[in-house]
Amino acid sequence: AQKITQTQPGMFVQEKEAVTLDCTYDTSDQSYGLFWYKQPSSGEMIFLIYQGSYDEQNATEGRYSLNFQKARKSANLVISASQLGDSAMYFCAMSVFSGSARQLTFGSGTQLTVLP
Amino acid sequence: DGGITQSPKYLFRKEGQNVTLSCEQNLNHDAMYWYRQDPGQGLRLIYYSQIVNDFQKGDIAEGYSVSREKKESFPLTVTSAQKNPTAFYLCASSITGQGSYNEQFFGPGTRLTVL
Repeated sequence: AQKITQTQPGMFVQEKEAVTLDCTYDTSDQSYGLFWYKQPSSGEMIFLIYQGSYDEQNATEGRYSLNFQKARKSANLVISASQLGDSAMYFCAMSVFSGSARQLTFGSGTQLTVLP
Repeated sequence: DGGITQSPKYLFRKEGQNVTLSCEQNLNHDAMYWYRQDPGQGLRLIYYSQIVNDFQKGDIAEGYSVSREKKESFPLTVTSAQKNPTAFYLCASSITGQGSYNEQFFGPGTRLTVL
């Protein structure tokens, strides 16, 4: 069975500082993808960054980077230079082939609050 | 603009009533998904469809039904058999294929409250 674990229900960070949101995963598949989504209070899910299981380099997208440690099965999100608008819920998700299609399994999320 | 629309944004239902949530996409995606989110929790998969006229149960399909008569549309019906339907419902779509990158694009969600 596939599982995503986010152990930090809530995190606080000072504006302009960096913050790391933890994510560990469990799968026996060799081919999988890891995603991070941001969910503001309005509810929509915003795609942030993707890492494939065969990608050797850590993914980066602007202020977001993914610290991928395959042997440890971790895919932590690093947000640099935090902004007040980064305050939101953050979800880690894993894409694996299940049944007849690729499906996303989500973690329980981390509520990030950026302090001025 | 391409995207996913869900309606209504807020929905109130009396106990014992069926209610249908709309989801439409113009991204030309073959795959569509319905998720349920409870307060402070992650998303759980209700149903998904990879092609017109075909759909599969997800992890929590009991009390829900779907149809996929058109590529663009994937409505979700919350039936009276669903014992605790109050939740936030999100629809998503993606391309299909065996590659691990199948980013799912999400709609704005429907918040359902049972009175």
